[in-house]
Amino acid sequence: DTGVSQDPRHKITKRGQNVTFRCDPISEHNRLYWYRQTLGQGPEFLTYFQNEAQLEKSRLLSDRFSAERPKGSFSTLEIQRTEQGDSAMYLCASSPRSKGETQYFGPGTRLLVL
Amino acid sequence: EDKVVQSPLSLVVHEGDTVTLNCSYEVTNFRSLLWYKQEKKAPTFLFMLTSSGIEKKSGRLSSILDKKELFSILNITATQTGDSAIYLCAVEAGGATNKLIFGTGTLLAVQP
Repeated sequence: DTGVSQDPRHKITKRGQNVTFRCDPISEHNRLYWYRQTLGQGPEFLTYFQNEAQLEKSRLLSDRFSAERPKGSFSTLEIQRTEQGDSAMYLCASSPRSKGETQYFGPGTRLLVL
Repeated sequence: EDKVVQSPLSLVVHEGDTVTLNCSYEVTNFRSLLWYKQEKKAPTFLFMLTSSGIEKKSGRLSSILDKKELFSILNITATQTGDSAIYLCAVEAGGATNKLIFGTGTLLAVQP
């Protein structure tokens, strides 16, 4: 257990529904990342927060995706109008303020869109 | 475009064997290279490498980076069934975000 928690761990939804995932990083970490991992692939970067500011979004993050980190602590990732292609593991990672520190991953939320 | 390539894609060995996993990369503003182990859950951190030629070691695992040839290797000696996992290589690209660019991973299966 790295200290990064995610909820829920698993989510099954029907195509067209909205889903929201939560990530609680390690408490003193100000950097927070979301990644997506599909079967047989390594994780792909989605978005990055430094404190409450969202500083980078990948072009993988279509307009159906939105992420927030309102108070610089926990973060949420919402997917609207889910599609079958959204089925994946959504991973959250955090790292501390100082450079040279690695990213610690949470257990992930596995999404299945039927 | 930044990319990380791992080889082999998969590997089956017997307990006690030694394995070498490869990772090559092409990224702008390289900052560090990381190895993670992934079992049926999130990746767990193994090593972070920033300097060429300096071996990092943890028990039976070791890793080294060559920044001139743009590659890294991960060695596992005296493999055990518990080493069975996907081994991910990632490069931390420079810039404000320090985002990680991952390879597809090497699936290692250690048979008793």
